[in-house]
Amino acid sequence: EIVLTQSPDFQSVTPKEKVTITCRASQSIGSNLHWYQQKPDQSPKVLIKFASQSFSGVPSRFSGSGSGTDFTLTINSLEPEDAATYYCHQSTSLPHTFGQGTKLEI
Amino acid sequence: QVQLQESGPGLVKPLETLSLTCTVSGDSISDYYWSWLRQPPGKGLEWIGYIYYSGSTHYNPSLQSRVTISIDTSKSQFSLKLSSVTAADTALYYCARYKPPAFENWGQGTMVTVSS
Repeated sequence: EIVLTQSPDFQSVTPKEKVTITCRASQSIGSNLHWYQQKPDQSPKVLIKFASQSFSGVPSRFSGSGSGTDFTLTINSLEPEDAATYYCHQSTSLPHTFGQGTKLEI
Repeated sequence: QVQLQESGPGLVKPLETLSLTCTVSGDSISDYYWSWLRQPPGKGLEWIGYIYYSGSTHYNPSLQSRVTISIDTSKSQFSLKLSSVTAADTALYYCARYKPPAFENWGQGTMVTVSS
């Protein structure tokens, strides 16, 4: 099973700040790394596919990068509505696995 | 736009079988993978398994001995059965459509508590 480790677990941030969340895989997963946003009492929503491809309708302030074992989600100019928990997910091999989540408090 | 809705009992007794159904609307169920995931209170996401519309299944090895996912394309529904549940199975259960490579569409989730 591929383990995904995110950092940090929690971050307190202010509007307009730039935020970086990292996800490290226990083995190489190419670009098969995807990012989700989960707001309180909502189901997760896809933000980024294949490490850097923005999902339809996602604001341009969200971007992703990385390959192999190290990946980054960047949120430029944070908005108050970005308060959420962010998860990475790998689809290279079964079972599908997720990072433990990074909670952003704004 | 596809919509998914979970249904089933919110309370299950220990050692009994948890049964949930997901109803799909707004798009055909006859494509892609139909998935179950769960999220224990205050914790992260765990993939339980999925079923292709043709009926082939893939399960998380950690749950494989207790999980069955089935599909009824005529009703646009797919179902989860998890046997011999314990308190560790208490979670918010989501159904989702897996359109490779991501879980693109999710239900709102249904809370299942295992308690006597």
